[in-house]
Amino acid sequence: EADIYQTPRYLVIGTGKKITLECSQTMGHDKMYWYQQDPGMELHLIHYSYGVNSTEKGDLSSESTVSRIRTEHFPLTLESARPSHTSQYLCASIPPANGVSDSSYEQYFGPGTRLTVT
Amino acid sequence: KNQVEQSPQSLIILEGKNCTLQCNYTVSPFSNLRWYKQDTGRGPVSLTIMTFSENTKSNGRYTATLDADTKQSSLHITASQLSDSASYICVVSDRGSTLGRLYFGRGTQLTVWP
Repeated sequence: EADIYQTPRYLVIGTGKKITLECSQTMGHDKMYWYQQDPGMELHLIHYSYGVNSTEKGDLSSESTVSRIRTEHFPLTLESARPSHTSQYLCASIPPANGVSDSSYEQYFGPGTRLTVT
Repeated sequence: KNQVEQSPQSLIILEGKNCTLQCNYTVSPFSNLRWYKQDTGRGPVSLTIMTFSENTKSNGRYTATLDADTKQSSLHITASQLSDSASYICVVSDRGSTLGRLYFGRGTQLTVWP
């Protein structure tokens, strides 16, 4: 089982609050990803990072922001939570690619954070 | 538009029975196809990954097949167990960029009854 952790696992919070979802991995992976998943729907990439101080937007537009100050840590922040942000957020990472496409490598997923904004 | 379609959407089987889940994709250029198992409230866990040249790959009671010509894949589960109850997600990646985009299906929700 992959060593990638997410906290909290469940969060219920009121509209307008600032929240940070934590993701950390102990495998030394450079590349990390955030996905958003609604019930019964596919995962959508919202952010990714190729290493320290590198962050990019994913395919799905998101009001969240991310930072990558340390290799093992990739937190996601919502400055002002809204009910439309209610979803499951999954963090993932892959091993160093050495120039090969990311798609060739196994993505390891964290257990997810189930966010509910009331 | 690159898409991954899975069927059936949900499936109920009795413990000990076999089942087959389907995945059709239009992703191009194709790099590889993965099957993941996602338990409720958990992150996906990889079962198999197949490249263009691979037709079949097994992982215990799970056997995945790939027909790159027809762009179809299947996941066969043998002698199902209660712990097999989960969502099974087909994921296809392209090789159009170094990012290697992943395209996720919506999953097949499998329920195994005793």
